[in-house]
Amino acid sequence: LAKTTQPISMDSYEGQEVNITCSHNNIATNDYITWYQQFPSQGPRFIIQGYKTKVTNEVASLFIPADRKSSTLSLPRVSLSDTAVYYCLVGGLISGGYNKLIFGAGTRLAVHP
Amino acid sequence: DGGITQSPKYLFRKEGQNVTLSCEQNLNHDAMYWYRQDPGQGLRLIYYSQIVNDFQKGDIAEGYSVSREKKESFPLTVTSAQKNPTAFYLCASRISGSDEQFFGPGTRLTVL
Repeated sequence: LAKTTQPISMDSYEGQEVNITCSHNNIATNDYITWYQQFPSQGPRFIIQGYKTKVTNEVASLFIPADRKSSTLSLPRVSLSDTAVYYCLVGGLISGGYNKLIFGAGTRLAVHP
Repeated sequence: DGGITQSPKYLFRKEGQNVTLSCEQNLNHDAMYWYRQDPGQGLRLIYYSQIVNDFQKGDIAEGYSVSREKKESFPLTVTSAQKNPTAFYLCASRISGSDEQFFGPGTRLTVL
């Protein structure tokens, strides 16, 4: 399973766009890239998943360059409620495995007024 | 409402006692998972089950046991063999054919 590296923490202000980059140099051909969000003392929540190029949903966008060695989660116009830990994961069931997802330490995003 | 529940939310036990954490889902999901999370850390996989009556060890299974007698239920027992059981325990489920895991609210276990 590919290892991921992402910043330990980030700070932002309400209304700004936040981009969190994750590097996964050893990503396999069949691996997907998935992002989860976790609030304190709660379980993680699925945000978005992609394979290549760009994916957008009502919550975020995911940008994946052609070499797929990194990905960027983009949160538009963040609010205080977006303060959470964001996990980047690589792998997954669609890759042919059994959906073993490795959660690293994640990125702690703090949104300030 | 469909969802995944864990009980209790907080649990205190004396050292040397076994304790069982409950996880129930009414989402009709086939796969279920148990994770452990320590302060400031990511999640680590303890056990997972892809179908009823079948389960596999994850990365940190030592000191834990599970059963999967019903599709809806996947209880986790923390045994006295687990050296450092105090942690936040999360249960998750997944529908076949999808990568998305749905997590419960978690149980915070403190061993005194």
